[in-house]
Amino acid sequence: GAVVSQHPSWVICKSGTSVKIECRSLDFQATTMFWYRQFPKQSLMLMATSNEGSKATYEQGVEKDKFLINHASLTLSTLTVTSAHPEDSSFYICSARETQYFGPGTRLLVL
Amino acid sequence: AQSVTQLGSHVSVSEGALVLLRCNYSSSVPPYLFWYVQYPNQGLQLLLKYTSAATLVKGINGFEAEFKKSETSFHLTKPSAHMSDAAEYFCAVSDGNRDDKIIFGKGTRLHILP
Repeated sequence: GAVVSQHPSWVICKSGTSVKIECRSLDFQATTMFWYRQFPKQSLMLMATSNEGSKATYEQGVEKDKFLINHASLTLSTLTVTSAHPEDSSFYICSARETQYFGPGTRLLVL
Repeated sequence: AQSVTQLGSHVSVSEGALVLLRCNYSSSVPPYLFWYVQYPNQGLQLLLKYTSAATLVKGINGFEAEFKKSETSFHLTKPSAHMSDAAEYFCAVSDGNRDDKIIFGKGTRLHILP
């Protein structure tokens, strides 16, 4: 079956640095991928829709200049958290194709 | 706009008892509906999904859900709870397009009592 991978699984960084998270579709092409964020003990909130070859579509309240999304190929979307701060610490999850295939998630801790 | 409401942020059942997790949806178009399970510190696993075919959907691990349009509900059930069922369960909705986003409910944590 279709598999979505994420890298890294865990990342710890200092406040003010940028962190890049990769989302890959391993055995299918994904023209659209989705990025979600989940804070502890909360639900998943959609951040943005990543579109191959075009700009991402951001949900209301999500800063596009802070969360940079690049979908340069049909199998890879990247989310870069720029100038990360402790409040950005969260679990970031991507999904692709009919949104039933989710990556394993990336846990970000900003010190 | 689409949305789902999960009734009860925490549900406790005894091992061997019926599991019932409630979900009501709101959608202006025929929806696709999903149930996901999340174990601690892990990603999401799809339990089952409704895509306008049979209204009773069977999923993995003995779970099933019934789509009731008249009640705008998609409750998740399992006849006999197992200790390993303890997890967070999310109901979700999309508008049925292949590459469309889905919207999640707030989740229900299922506790299994020995």
